Amino acid sequence: SQTIHQWPATLVQPVGSPLSLECTVEGTSNPNLYWYRQAAGRGLQLLFYSVGIGQISSEVPQNLSASRPQDRQFILSSKKLLLSDSGFYLCAWSKGYLNLDTQYFGPGTRLTVL
Amino acid sequence: RKEVEQDPGPFNVPEGATVAFNCTYSNSASQSFFWYRQDCRKEPKLLMSVYSSGNEDGRFTAQLNRASQYISLLIRDSKLSDSATYLCVVLTGNQFYFGTGTSLTVIP
Repeated sequence: SQTIHQWPATLVQPVGSPLSLECTVEGTSNPNLYWYRQAAGRGLQLLFYSVGIGQISSEVPQNLSASRPQDRQFILSSKKLLLSDSGFYLCAWSKGYLNLDTQYFGPGTRLTVL
Repeated sequence: RKEVEQDPGPFNVPEGATVAFNCTYSNSASQSFFWYRQDCRKEPKLLMSVYSSGNEDGRFTAQLNRASQYISLLIRDSKLSDSATYLCVVLTGNQFYFGTGTSLTVIP
């Protein structure tokens, strides 16, 4: 069966510090991968998605970036965090089947920028 | 206009009640539909997919009306453990669009 891992689970970082969040998927190949952010009490905001290695689509212009160095690895980064980057970061995967696709989420990383 | 819109609630209902959530979507080309459940400070988890003919899973019934671009979720005989936020999700192309969620609290 497929599983998705994210780490760390929680993170407290000062403003201006760098960020690296990692997501890995097991049990499937060539998944679509997604990064979302959920601010406190708000809906999910799609940040990036990837349909293959090295292919990243950015949905929202901001100081975050994403990379997919391996088929089942998706990394979210920032060179300098802002206070507004605080939130719950969720990685998700789907098989990419156009009419039969379903999305599954990792446990998330709760980031607090101070 | 938002891709997916939901009534945020909150819905506060007694145990055993029946509660219904509604959701509308804006793109008539959307091809798949889902309800997810999100517990406080946890990740969203798939509750059920929504099929054109309507589908049922125990106490949960989902309906899709493509003509009206409307999705619903009915929960019968509410349990305390049903308390959560329910997210309406629409797949359009290769992107999933999420509603902001409807909060449900089931009261003893």
